[in-house]
Amino acid sequence: ILNVEQSPQSLHVQEGDSTNFTCSFPSSNFYALHWYRWETAKSPEALFVMTLNGDEKKKGRISATLNTKEGYSYLYIKGSQPEDSATYLCAFMGFNKFYFGSGTKLNVKP
Amino acid sequence: NAGVTQTPKFRVLKTGQSMTLLCAQDMNHEYMYWYRQDPGMGLRLIHYSVGEGTTAKGEVPDGYNVSRLKKQNFLLGLESAAPSQTSVYFCASTSGTGGIEQYFGPGTRLTVT
Repeated sequence: ILNVEQSPQSLHVQEGDSTNFTCSFPSSNFYALHWYRWETAKSPEALFVMTLNGDEKKKGRISATLNTKEGYSYLYIKGSQPEDSATYLCAFMGFNKFYFGSGTKLNVKP
Repeated sequence: NAGVTQTPKFRVLKTGQSMTLLCAQDMNHEYMYWYRQDPGMGLRLIHYSVGEGTTAKGEVPDGYNVSRLKKQNFLLGLESAAPSQTSVYFCASTSGTGGIEQYFGPGTRLTVT
């Protein structure tokens, strides 16, 4: 069983704060690294899919980086808003299979 | 375009009963996945399929069977439900591997008493 770790487990920030999360994964047999946003009572929705070492992706105030050689990815949220409150999941893709971390639960207080 | 749908949304079973969860997608995706989600454990892969007529085991396959007779449908069966199978089950599909995202269904909440 492959280990994907996310930290921190939970985060409480004030509106306007910037924050970042970490996803650690094995550096071998790498196909892709996915980030998902998961709101309570909904389904996970894809934020980013990254495949190449050094990849950087951005969507509005959210961005992500990828280091496949050392096995980590960072997700950044600039100027957090209450609507950013959700659980953020990362998933390591090996050959045909996905391995998810347990997520970082973000709570943004107005 | 409905995306990925799951039937039923909720179900309560007694220990030893059987049931089938249906996942359907209308995006012509080749790859389909069944996950279970338990508190503090993220999503764990139960079984997956890389195309019609194929299935393969994931991380936690014991106690479950699957079938992919039609490309658009992926069925998850519990032959003899156990309380340890109480969970939320998510189905997902994707058109390929690597740089392509998964699309998730709304989930099925199953309670086994």
